[in-house]
Amino acid sequence: RKEVEQDPGPFNVPEGATVAFNCTYSNSASQSFFWYRQDCRKEPKLLMSVYSSGNEDGRFTAQLNRASQYISLLIRDSKLSDSATYLCVVNSIGKNTGNQFYFGTGTSLTVIP
Amino acid sequence: EAGVVQSPRYKIIEKKQPVAFWCNPISGHNTLYWYLQNLGQGPELLIRYENEEAVDDSQLPKDRFSAERLKGVDSTLKIQPAELGDSAVYLCASSFSVWDTQYFGPGTRLTVL
Repeated sequence: RKEVEQDPGPFNVPEGATVAFNCTYSNSASQSFFWYRQDCRKEPKLLMSVYSSGNEDGRFTAQLNRASQYISLLIRDSKLSDSATYLCVVNSIGKNTGNQFYFGTGTSLTVIP
Repeated sequence: EAGVVQSPRYKIIEKKQPVAFWCNPISGHNTLYWYLQNLGQGPELLIRYENEEAVDDSQLPKDRFSAERLKGVDSTLKIQPAELGDSAVYLCASSFSVWDTQYFGPGTRLTVL
């Protein structure tokens, strides 16, 4: 089983729509969680950290559900510039490797005019 | 503040040739990561350094890959000899510590012919 699993999409939504991505993780001892954004042929960039109480940054809201071991990202009022791949990242303790970051495969979003 | 610097940005080589990638992390970042990213996939960790010590190299194919971070600052990743399947983007990232946000460099896109 993969450490982090995401629906790869693609998600094609009209401008102004609300879209939600989910991500599940397998290690219940995972410590920290992030959403990264990756534009085509560019490097991943931090979008936001995910806190236990949930957090919001403008149109973006991240939630963590430790009991069910999933993370979500909600984008409200989608803009054309939101088109990108969104990577779920979990910081876990590996079996023999100590602390390690695990990346999901990413969810592709295209916002359509 | 300068970000993570990587060079070269692109490299095309023939199979069985050696290749090396260089990374200079953000100043003050003790943790340095090398990732491999294939198309449509998330980054996969190759090796992680804490200062000059390689603390997690469990995913590094040691028969052909090697890395060093001699003075605990910049790092080099080498492949010798390269195989067709090594074609990918090689990303370097750095962070203050293993629990902190990772910042990625622009990556080196390797094509092995």
